Amino acid sequence: QLQLQESGPGLVKPSETLSLTCTVSGGSINSRNYYWGWIRQPPGKGLEWIENINHSGSTYHNPSLKSRVTISLDSSMNQFSLLLRSVTAADTAVYYCARYPVATDGSFAFDIWGQGTMVTVSS
Amino acid sequence: EIVLTQSPGTLSLSPGARATLSCRASQTVVSRYFAWYQQKPGQAPRLLIYAASSRATGIPDRFSGSGSGTDFTLTISRLEPEDNAVYFCQQYGGSPALTFGGGTTVEIK
Repeated sequence: QLQLQESGPGLVKPSETLSLTCTVSGGSINSRNYYWGWIRQPPGKGLEWIENINHSGSTYHNPSLKSRVTISLDSSMNQFSLLLRSVTAADTAVYYCARYPVATDGSFAFDIWGQGTMVTVSS
Repeated sequence: EIVLTQSPGTLSLSPGARATLSCRASQTVVSRYFAWYQQKPGQAPRLLIYAASSRATGIPDRFSGSGSGTDFTLTISRLEPEDNAVYFCQQYGGSPALTFGGGTTVEIK
């Protein structure tokens, strides 16, 4: 059964770079049937999509964050990663990674999620 | 940008009641790319409905989705205590490519 697990520092200083990794287990990340995405949720608020990436490195992004975000995928490690630069307190959130099926019979919705990791931006 | 507006903000109902949640889009959304999620406190969201009306794996049939164009509805036919959660709608296809609604909280009395 496919599982996703986020990892990374829980505390980042303002103006620094937030770095998170999502490890996929129980299946391969190297499939043309899926994109892999990052979504965040500030405390007590709603969900904000950040960016998606597929096995070949194709991405689509949220323009509101695009200038600060880099997403990458490492097939050999079955992982994908998020870098968010120049963070502020507004970037404090639970960060989730998730799978996004895009095959002809895919859901085009995030069907498997990691448990989420809380990242606090504070000095 | 396609904005998704969910209503009501909070729904307080008794067990066994029927819940009707609305999601209105600022522009037409392709039904194929419309979904609903459930999020319980302290948990990650769970996919309930995709393609506007298809139930995800393992979702009970008391959850149903309907709608098209700019108006979509999630119906929970017989509320159970474990349905206490926040429900989000989501679309793919505009710019930004993917957006979520602000959520509806369902409280079971």
